Amino acid sequence: DGGITQSPKYLFRKEGQNVTLSCEQNLNHDAMYWYRQDPGQGLRLIYYSQIVNDFQKGDIAEGYSVSREKKESFPLTVTSAQKNPTAFYLCASRTGSTDTQYFGPGTRLTVL
Amino acid sequence: QQQVKQSPQSLIVQKGGISIINCAYENTAFDYFPWYQQFPGKGPALLIAIRPDVSEKKEGRFTISFNKSAKQFSLHIMDSQPGDSATYFCAASSNFGNEKLTFGTGTRLTIIP
Repeated sequence: DGGITQSPKYLFRKEGQNVTLSCEQNLNHDAMYWYRQDPGQGLRLIYYSQIVNDFQKGDIAEGYSVSREKKESFPLTVTSAQKNPTAFYLCASRTGSTDTQYFGPGTRLTVL
Repeated sequence: QQQVKQSPQSLIVQKGGISIINCAYENTAFDYFPWYQQFPGKGPALLIAIRPDVSEKKEGRFTISFNKSAKQFSLHIMDSQPGDSATYFCAASSNFGNEKLTFGTGTRLTIIP
C-alpha cells in the first residue's frame, strides 16, 4: 500500500512543549513539503526538502524545525517558539520527474 | 504578500448547475496552475492542472480556463453533484512545478439538491 502517512491523526500538547509530527512516504519521491492549514488562509509552506540532508525555509518557518536524514522521512518539530501552533499540518511529496504534489492525510495539532 | 487571490470564499450551487471558482495571480514567472480538492479532515488531492501554453483543459466534468494576459484562471464544474461538495484550492508555481506551490485561500463549495 503506497502513499504518504502522517501520524498521529490528532495530537494534543501543553503550551511550551515541543512536539514532532511524523511524515513517511514509500513513493520514492525526492521532494517533501510541510504545510500549515488554518481556516480561511489556505495552505502555507513551512519547510521543504528537495534531496536528503538538505532543506529550505518556506514562508512561515519561524518556530518550526525539520530534518531529512532519509529519503522516506521528513519529520516536523513544532517548538515552543511557535506562537500559535494549533492548526492542521499537511505533508506532501513530489517526484522530480513530475509537477504533482501528493498530500498525506494530515495531523491536527491542538495546543492546550 | 498573497500572490494568488481566490474567489469566492464560499459558493452554493444547485445540483446539475455549473460551479465557477476564480483565481488571479501576480507573479508572471508562474507556469504551472493546479487545482486541488479537499474533503473535511483529509489532505488535498490534485483535481486538474494547466500550463500556460493552452487556454483551456478539460477532464470529465472539470475544466480549467486560463487567461494569460489577464493573469487569471478559473475552475468550472459542470453538472455539479452533491459529491462535489468540498473545499477547492487553486495554486501556482514556476519552473513547471519544480518550485514551491503558492496556494489561494480556498473556496468551500456546497451542492444542494
